[in-house]
Amino acid sequence: DTAVSQTPKYLVTQMGNDKSIKCEQNLGHDTMYWYKQDSKKFLKIMFSYNNKELIINETVPNRFSPKSPDKAHLNLHINSLELGDSAVYFCASSPGVTNYNEQFFGPGTRLTVL
Amino acid sequence: LAKTTQPISMDSYEGQEVNITCSHNNIATNDYITWYQQFPSQGPRFIIQGYKTKVTNEVASLFIPADRKSSTLSLPRVSLSDTAVYYCLVGEREYGNKLVFGAGTILRVKS
Repeated sequence: DTAVSQTPKYLVTQMGNDKSIKCEQNLGHDTMYWYKQDSKKFLKIMFSYNNKELIINETVPNRFSPKSPDKAHLNLHINSLELGDSAVYFCASSPGVTNYNEQFFGPGTRLTVL
Repeated sequence: LAKTTQPISMDSYEGQEVNITCSHNNIATNDYITWYQQFPSQGPRFIIQGYKTKVTNEVASLFIPADRKSSTLSLPRVSLSDTAVYYCLVGEREYGNKLVFGAGTILRVKS
């Protein structure tokens, strides 16, 4: 059973398009995250939700909009895609909001903007 | 957020013990240290976490000196499957944001 799953695994699209990435966790965790990993392997948090409530919103362009329909799902919608959005996006979950909690990551979605 | 510094890469041979040190000179009182492992085309995976002294689990050991300005991840008897990127992450025990993983250390294990 997959703990944290993401779809799609690969996403290739043109500049200016709108796309969504879906994430689901079956661990019963309260907190979910979106991370962006660039070509230099730096992993940076973008958003975090706790029980469907947004608790972390880093300096991310407002073209990125997370949505959490329930605490098991956290989707990421990106409007007007730009070349610089090309990266691997990871969803993660943890039992609670404190950084002390172990985070479980999904397999990632490789986004390529042409 | 305490900034971390790790070696960019390390090479080892199967069966050897590997020690990866992370520097975090401005670690705060409440900060703890966590290590993650990432294989190609996969998400990071939690390895070990500690606050002070030594922590050991079935996968690794984590050594933290008294001043906590550095920490060392120790992998006993590595195998080829331990080839991965290892990230040191320092963060506050309480709720916090700005979780930024550094560039990590690429460990290459050779036969």
